[in-house]
Amino acid sequence: KAGVTQTPRYLIKTRGQQVTLSCSPISGHRSVSWYQQTPGQGLQFLFEYFSETQRNKGNFPGRFSGRQFSNSRSEMNVSTLELGDSALYLCASSLGHRDGLGEQYFGPGTRLTVT
Amino acid sequence: DAKTTQPTSMDCAEGRAANLPCNHSTISGNEYVYWYRQIHSQGPQYIIHGLKNNETNEMASLIITEDRKSSTLILPHATLRDTAVYYCIVRVRLTGGGNKLTFGTGTQLKVEL
Repeated sequence: KAGVTQTPRYLIKTRGQQVTLSCSPISGHRSVSWYQQTPGQGLQFLFEYFSETQRNKGNFPGRFSGRQFSNSRSEMNVSTLELGDSALYLCASSLGHRDGLGEQYFGPGTRLTVT
Repeated sequence: DAKTTQPTSMDCAEGRAANLPCNHSTISGNEYVYWYRQIHSQGPQYIIHGLKNNETNEMASLIITEDRKSSTLILPHATLRDTAVYYCIVRVRLTGGGNKLTFGTGTQLKVEL
């Protein structure tokens, strides 16, 4: 079974631009979560999508948004990029049990650099 | 989410057991303990989870104290490939369902020859 895939793997953008990152979950998984990892803040939860609906949200500004398609693939978008948005963006998929106790499988991440 | 406390770093000789401790003194009765690890520049990898009984799988064993205030992850025969940051996470059961992992700073385990 193929793992979680994320595209692109590396990205360089300029301040003020916007960016869209893509995540394809493991086949059969309906939940996709996004995380941001920086040296200063560590791994932080952005949001989770399940059945095309945002189910949970972390404490990030509205510039960070996402969506999920009917095939469970997900995209996240960051508008008006700031230097502080430079990070490794990780996507994780799971079966999406309502109690949230299933394990999550992470992709390799997208390394975003904002200049 | 219950807060977890882990040592910043640990060393282990290859072939020996690595015992990684975690304190979670404010854990509540329905919260699970999860362990993930992250090898440099890769996405985190699920290892094991448990509620109150000890658990074992092909990767590791999880020992949870009777009062559930602490736990230990055991890698029985550590190899160089086990060098990674290990995160102990207490999973809250969200009222709306769903997944949210709150990562701390973890323990950097270095396995050496």
